[in-house]
Amino acid sequence: DGGITQSPKYLFRKEGQNVTLSCEQNLNHDAMYWYRQDPGQGLRLIYYSQIVNDFQKGDIAEGYSVSREKKESFPLTVTSAQKNPTAFYLCASSIGAISTDTQYFGPGTRLTVL
Amino acid sequence: GDSVTQMEGPVTLSEEAFLTINCTYTATGYPSLFWYVQYPGEGLQLLLKATKADDKGSNKGFEATYRKETTSFHLEKGSVQVSDSAVYFCALSESRGGGFKTIFGAGTRLFVKA
Repeated sequence: DGGITQSPKYLFRKEGQNVTLSCEQNLNHDAMYWYRQDPGQGLRLIYYSQIVNDFQKGDIAEGYSVSREKKESFPLTVTSAQKNPTAFYLCASSIGAISTDTQYFGPGTRLTVL
Repeated sequence: GDSVTQMEGPVTLSEEAFLTINCTYTATGYPSLFWYVQYPGEGLQLLLKATKADDKGSNKGFEATYRKETTSFHLEKGSVQVSDSAVYFCALSESRGGGFKTIFGAGTRLFVKA
């Protein structure tokens, strides 16, 4: 079955540590995205990538980094510079990068900073 | 800037009741409009979409019509089921600089009682 996988489902981090969230898709989609979801709020875009080896900052990129070395993979690193990283993180992909394209979401990773 | 406003929840209904979740938007151009649904502990999935004015999206008994004159995309269902309990997100996507930008509403939580 085609889809998007994220791992781990739950992640705990100590303050001052970097942590990397995995996102893999086998939909052959060109575009991939990372969103952050906080309780009672809509999704906010962290980074997006329209093609391999290229990515752009979203609305809340500070304290995060990404890479796109392969079409199917778009890992997100939450660095120690992110002031309030506890949140639910969602990865998504779309076939292209036009406004009519549907985004397909993974199941999410819940990150808690202890 | 562009924005999406949806009715605050939670919305609590009895099974077989009629559902309306209001969504209004502001946009500078001609966005595509989406409703996504999020079941507990999962990522978002597309419920329906409309890409131009007067289009009606429909899926699983849910409907929404793209009303440019009132800048609205209200979600309706004639008879809800317990399994419809979830969080519903209205979103718009608009072309920007070679790609597109998606803006999500804050989400409306729906509880359906048996």
